[in-house]
Amino acid sequence: DTEVTQTPKHLVMGMTNKKSLKCEQHMGHRAMYWYKQKAKKPPELMFVYSYEKLSINESVPSRFSPECPNSSLLNLHLHALQPEDSALYLCASSRGGGSQETQYFGPGTRLLVL
Amino acid sequence: GQQLNQSPQSMFIQEGEDVSMNCTSSSIFNTWLWYKQEPGEGPVLLIALYKAGELTSNGRLTAQFGITRKDSFLNISASIPSDVGIYFCAGRASGTYKYIFGTGTRLKVLA
Repeated sequence: DTEVTQTPKHLVMGMTNKKSLKCEQHMGHRAMYWYKQKAKKPPELMFVYSYEKLSINESVPSRFSPECPNSSLLNLHLHALQPEDSALYLCASSRGGGSQETQYFGPGTRLLVL
Repeated sequence: GQQLNQSPQSMFIQEGEDVSMNCTSSSIFNTWLWYKQEPGEGPVLLIALYKAGELTSNGRLTAQFGITRKDSFLNISASIPSDVGIYFCAGRASGTYKYIFGTGTRLKVLA
């Protein structure tokens, strides 16, 4: 099973709202990722957690706040977003160590900020 | 952020034709991944490559890890309409969790 699940599938929020995106995997992977993807562009890395610790933050604005409660779960908390933050948000996971790392993506959350 | 050069940018082909695309990097990678993405969905992993010179197949898809470790190639044989989508390469260097993505190849297949 190589499944990464994400909820919700779609989200519409106002600029003053607070919302959270959720991601889950049960492959025993120890690295989890958040990406942002605009239409017709490649995924753009936001954060990486390895062994439940934040290891990469690609200078993401503080209105995006990641959280890794345990090795299977990854959240992205959203607050005071801007319309330009509208995008497909993708979660991914990989084994987290060793030479043969393979990264699997979830289906994404389509976010619209009004 | 950093992106890999991926070509061609787009392809319009007839059903049954073969397709080739490639990615090049200015730095060395020890992992190359190839994904297909359809509209509104997440990228789906097609092939993973871990060793320079490695040639791996997945059905009609064949990918190669370039000997210089700075490039990778994906071939699709006998294309069918459901091959339509955007194909991305992604490379990863040793000692990092960060994958660098190619700019994507948009494939359209005409029946």
